[in-house]
Amino acid sequence: NAGVTQTPKFQVLKTGQSMTLQCAQDMNHEYMSWYRQDPGMGLRLIHYSVGAGITDQGEVPNGYNVSRSTTEDFPLRLLSAAPSQTSVYFCASRGGVNQPQHFGDGTRLSIL
Amino acid sequence: RKEVEQDPGPFNVPEGATVAFNCTYSNSASQSFFWYRQDCRKEPKLLMSVYSSGNEDGRFTAQLNRASQYISLLIRDSKLSDSATYLCVVNRAGGFKTIFGAGTRLFVKA
Repeated sequence: NAGVTQTPKFQVLKTGQSMTLQCAQDMNHEYMSWYRQDPGMGLRLIHYSVGAGITDQGEVPNGYNVSRSTTEDFPLRLLSAAPSQTSVYFCASRGGVNQPQHFGDGTRLSIL
Repeated sequence: RKEVEQDPGPFNVPEGATVAFNCTYSNSASQSFFWYRQDCRKEPKLLMSVYSSGNEDGRFTAQLNRASQYISLLIRDSKLSDSATYLCVVNRAGGFKTIFGAGTRLFVKA
């Protein structure tokens, strides 16, 4: 089972560039979410989706967009990269309310 | 006050020791509970779910006390490989919200 797949694993951007972090899951989970984790800090929720066509903001949504056109895919777009967005980004998916979240192995993003 | 609170540690224990972590949650609508393990700069991985009746998986035992709104994790016979951050995680009822604790850091030393 692939589970949750994130690409790329590493990326370096220049300030002002845009890019899309990809996330796909093959478990038919309705709930998907994006987190960022800065060094020594906990996970912070960026955006989440409760199903295809439905997205909502988390704690730290500024500078990011998401869409959910299919159950499987939940890409995260950085509109104009800033050094403050240097972080590790994790995508996660979950089945029902009593189910745990499953994480991808992360994208390590540096903005110069 | 955070919705899920954990002692950040660090806990420094020798190999073979027993160590216990507690976690408290403030939202009574919390429905399901988990412990995750996170190694440095890696993704969080599910360690175990937590049930009111208590559950055990090898050296790990988890307990849930709904009346007092706390969750515990006991690690017996600690190994060097247990060194990690342990996250307390709560799913709220009536929606898809998952709340992560900030984590408790464990160092197991030879």
